[in-house]
Amino acid sequence: DAMVIQNPRYQVTQFGKPVTLSCSQTLNHNVMYWYQQKSSQAPKLLFHYYDKDFNNEADTPDNFQSRRPNTSFCFLDIRSPGLGDAAMYLCATSRAGFTNEQFFGPGTRLTVL
Amino acid sequence: GENVEQHPSTLSVQEGDSAVIKCTYSDSASNYFPWYKQELGKGPQLIIDIRSNVGEKKDQRIAVTLNKTAKHFSLHITETQPEDSAVYFCAATFNDMRFGAGTRLTVKP
Repeated sequence: DAMVIQNPRYQVTQFGKPVTLSCSQTLNHNVMYWYQQKSSQAPKLLFHYYDKDFNNEADTPDNFQSRRPNTSFCFLDIRSPGLGDAAMYLCATSRAGFTNEQFFGPGTRLTVL
Repeated sequence: GENVEQHPSTLSVQEGDSAVIKCTYSDSASNYFPWYKQELGKGPQLIIDIRSNVGEKKDQRIAVTLNKTAKHFSLHITETQPEDSAVYFCAATFNDMRFGAGTRLTVKP
């Protein structure tokens, strides 16, 4: 089945220790998104790639960066995680832009000690 | 930017009853309105969507209505079942996508 895969499902890191979350897709979609979802809140868009074009939300902290080396893979790098960065990180894809269905992965739950 | 308000935040119904969740949006340019269902420990999954040129859309037990003039849209679930229990998010999109705060629906057997 075509799908969005996130690894790892659970990630524990220490305060200030860089961490990378990964996402891959077999849908061959042009757009990939990263969302942060804190407990009992709505997903919050961090950034998205339309093909190789990177788009950063205005309020995404500089501590968060992303890479998309090819169509299938996208990475979220948190350079110096703080306690407030503990959250579920969701990757999603869509065939085209925002007015298309987004397909979400299962998420990576990040714990910061 | 777009602001989406969603009500209620929690909703509890008896199995077989109907459930209605309402959202309002602020940006009149928004033209795509998806509804996502998120089960515990999973990513959101699209259950139905509607575009601005349509007033109503139905898919089996689920329907969505859109009032562009009033800038509000609603999700209707009929004949609810325990497996409908989840968190439901509305969203409004144009150049970005803004989610509502979510509604936790509990269907009691």
